[in-house]
Amino acid sequence: EPEVTQTPSHQVTQMGQEVILRCVPISNHLYFYWYRQILGQKVEFLVSFYNNEISEKSEIFDDQFSVERPDGSNFTLKIRSTKLEDSAMYFCASSSGQGSYNEQFFGPGTRLTVL
Amino acid sequence: SQQGEEDPQALSIQEGENATMNCSYKTSINNLQWYRQNSGRGLVHLILIRSNEREKHSGRLRVTLDTSKKSSSLLITASRAADTASYFCATDGGANNLFFGTGTRLTVIP
Repeated sequence: EPEVTQTPSHQVTQMGQEVILRCVPISNHLYFYWYRQILGQKVEFLVSFYNNEISEKSEIFDDQFSVERPDGSNFTLKIRSTKLEDSAMYFCASSSGQGSYNEQFFGPGTRLTVL
Repeated sequence: SQQGEEDPQALSIQEGENATMNCSYKTSINNLQWYRQNSGRGLVHLILIRSNEREKHSGRLRVTLDTSKKSSSLLITASRAADTASYFCATDGGANNLFFGTGTRLTVIP
């Protein structure tokens, strides 16, 4: 069964550093998403991406964040100048149709720890 | 905020019993989804119910939706130890995003 994969599973970084979280969505999906979950809190939407551009983003997704689909398979989230409060699980998801009308398939997540 | 709120926050039952989790939300929706999350893992989609549907079944799962009360419930029948997980409802925040609730932590005791 096709699945969304994410690398790395755990990323430790120093405050102020840049990190890139990688995702490989399901191959025939067209919509891609990033969510985050701070430990013990709810899953929060960050951004959705369709047709090579951001379709929606939340207030959390400020200039510190960027997304890219550098090739036909990868979908990345870049966090510049990381802060302690960026420590969280980051989930990538993909769907075949618009995300709120269709099942979103989630990856296993990347645990980001900012020291 | 459209975010759903589940209750109870935690539920502990014996294997074989039924588990019911509730979700309330604040604004009108097009559909509502339920997801499961095993500890430290990603979310797994369980079921999607559209705003014009009142009830939906999938295996041992039964979901109801009452748009007049802005609430939904997830019933898991004949629970198993493997059902132990957190369960989240999610409402459409826009065309392409979901608002997740706070979740119900279900523990099924063998």
